[in-house]
Amino acid sequence: AQKITQTQPGMFVQEKEAVTLDCTYDTSDQSYGLFWYKQPSSGEMIFLIYQGSYDEQNATEGRYSLNFQKARKSANLVISASQLGDSAMYFCAMREGGAAGNKLTFGGGTRVLVKP
Amino acid sequence: GAVVSQHPSWVICKSGTSVKIECRSLDFQATTMFWYRQFPKQSLMLMATSNEGSKATYEQGVEKDKFLINHASLTLSTLTVTSAHPEDSSFYICSAAGRLKWKLFFGSGTQLSVL
Repeated sequence: AQKITQTQPGMFVQEKEAVTLDCTYDTSDQSYGLFWYKQPSSGEMIFLIYQGSYDEQNATEGRYSLNFQKARKSANLVISASQLGDSAMYFCAMREGGAAGNKLTFGGGTRVLVKP
Repeated sequence: GAVVSQHPSWVICKSGTSVKIECRSLDFQATTMFWYRQFPKQSLMLMATSNEGSKATYEQGVEKDKFLINHASLTLSTLTVTSAHPEDSSFYICSAAGRLKWKLFFGSGTQLSVL
């Protein structure tokens, strides 16, 4: 079974609007972390936001917020006030606890294209 | 913030030759680095975990004799693609954990094209 699922292969968003990128995960660990990375066409992986499984509040980093619903095993990324520079691939990833250490498992990604 | 430097950014080589890719942590020590592979329009797939001073741990299906990993110091890990073939053409990217162990920083990646 897929550990990280991103159901939206691609989406358009109007500049200045908000967009939600879906991510669901599957783990039996109690301790885990969820990440979102942005990958522009240049290929680099840019860290956006992190949510620990024990964090009670949803993580926020500037225009990025993570809607963490633990019972539903979802960790959706919300980008507010979209900018043209937000056009990129976005990957959700999970770090599981214990021996897995900092090994990340990535979802299939969502391509976002911001329209002017 | 922590920076991971990866070189080269792109490389073109002939089939049968070997290619070495370097991953350096510039302002922190990284006892563990990770090597990923990414095919066009696909996600990142973990190839191996590189441990300083010990053998790398390879993921299932990754040929350890083809993808040699050396982590000789706390700031440098190298991935050598030996006897490269066109099917090895891919984007390779490394990552390392900084002081905050949960936060991974990625290199800028290496696009390998094998002719």
